[in-house]
Amino acid sequence: DAGVTQSPTHLIKTRGQQVTLRCSPKSGHDTVSWYQQALGQGPQFIFQYYEEEERQRGNFPDRFSGHQFPNYSSELNVNALLLGDSALYLCASSSSGTYYNEQFFGPGTRLTVL
Amino acid sequence: KNEVEQSPQNLTAQEGEFITINCSYSVGISALHWLQQHPGGGIVSLFMLSSGKKKHGRLIATINIQEKHSSLHITASHPRDSAVYICAVGTGTASKLTFGTGTRLQVTL
Repeated sequence: DAGVTQSPTHLIKTRGQQVTLRCSPKSGHDTVSWYQQALGQGPQFIFQYYEEEERQRGNFPDRFSGHQFPNYSSELNVNALLLGDSALYLCASSSSGTYYNEQFFGPGTRLTVL
Repeated sequence: KNEVEQSPQNLTAQEGEFITINCSYSVGISALHWLQQHPGGGIVSLFMLSSGKKKHGRLIATINIQEKHSSLHITASHPRDSAVYICAVGTGTASKLTFGTGTRLQVTL
């Protein structure tokens, strides 16, 4: 079992560009959550996908959007990048099968916006 | 006031010392997580608990639901324990997590 995987590992973009980050959940998991972690801060919840729909969303602008595919993998898209979007983006997967489920985290994608 | 607060923010200990990291939260929770993050970013889940106490090796986590407080203890600390330890709480059934800002632990020889 490969666990949660994310790609790419690192990414450098310039202001105004668009970026797509990818996440494959742990085998057997159907729910994917995305988090943004700025340097020196705790992660902040962006949104969560289940059954190919956004189920819950944190306090992030519409520039942040996502998608979940039938195989449960997910993408995070950020448009019109700002310097402040530089952060570590973490994906976590869980299973909806029980009331409350442990989340497993991927290694993250470090995005630098210049 | 943040929903999840940790103390201390930074902690330096000598190898072998007993370490305690505290977490207080202000909301009703479904479960509390203790996570470990090494330089480079990857997060590892150490414990998920909703009551009582859990132990794994040299790590012990406790939670007091009435007092909205949890502690992570490390016995016989070792330099490889050096990392950021993060407390996170989950609410409801959607498993969204709210994180503390972390405790940076440095264990020296």
